[in-house]
Amino acid sequence: ETGVTQSPTHLIKTRGQQVTLRCSSQSGHNTVSWYQQALGQGPQFIFQYYREEENGRGNFPPRFSGLQFPNYSSELNVNALELDDSALYLCASSGGLAGGGDTQYFGPGTRLTVL
Amino acid sequence: TQLLEQSPQFLSIQEGENLTVYCNSSSVFSSLQWYRQEPGEGPVLLVTVVTGGEVKKLKRLTFQFGDARKDSSLHITAAQPGDTGLYLCAGGADSWGKLQFGAGTQVVVTP
Repeated sequence: ETGVTQSPTHLIKTRGQQVTLRCSSQSGHNTVSWYQQALGQGPQFIFQYYREEENGRGNFPPRFSGLQFPNYSSELNVNALELDDSALYLCASSGGLAGGGDTQYFGPGTRLTVL
Repeated sequence: TQLLEQSPQFLSIQEGENLTVYCNSSSVFSSLQWYRQEPGEGPVLLVTVVTGGEVKKLKRLTFQFGDARKDSSLHITAAQPGDTGLYLCAGGADSWGKLQFGAGTQVVVTP
């Protein structure tokens, strides 16, 4: 069984640029959630995708957007990067309502630095 | 803004000592989870508690969920250096696993 994987591991961008982060969910999982973890903080929920549809969103501006593909992998896109977007971005997969949605399996994260 | 407050923020103890980490909220959660996170890695689930008053034990770790499902505690007996890490509590308001995390408690266990 393959766990949750994320790419890239690290990324450096400048203000105003756009970035795409990728996540492959654990085998058999149809739900993917994205979290932002700033230094010294706990993860903050960005949004969740279930079967290619957005299934809830946290308090993040529209420049944070996402996609989920038929194989349940997912992308997080951030436009017009700001310095405060510097953080560890975590992807978590779960089995959805029918598969124990509360149990989230996290990937290792992508460390984004905005200069 | 963290809806879940964890205390203390930092804990440094000697190997063999006991420690307790607290997680409090004014909100009711359908479930509460505890994670441990190592530097450069994602959080790893330790336990999920769903019933008010529930107590779960995982080897030297004991987890309690408050009767009102608003607070929880994690107790580690005879801590070992391998217990070092960032301990995070997270509350789920529904069955979809959209989690609200606390800011975490950094635990350091020295030999």
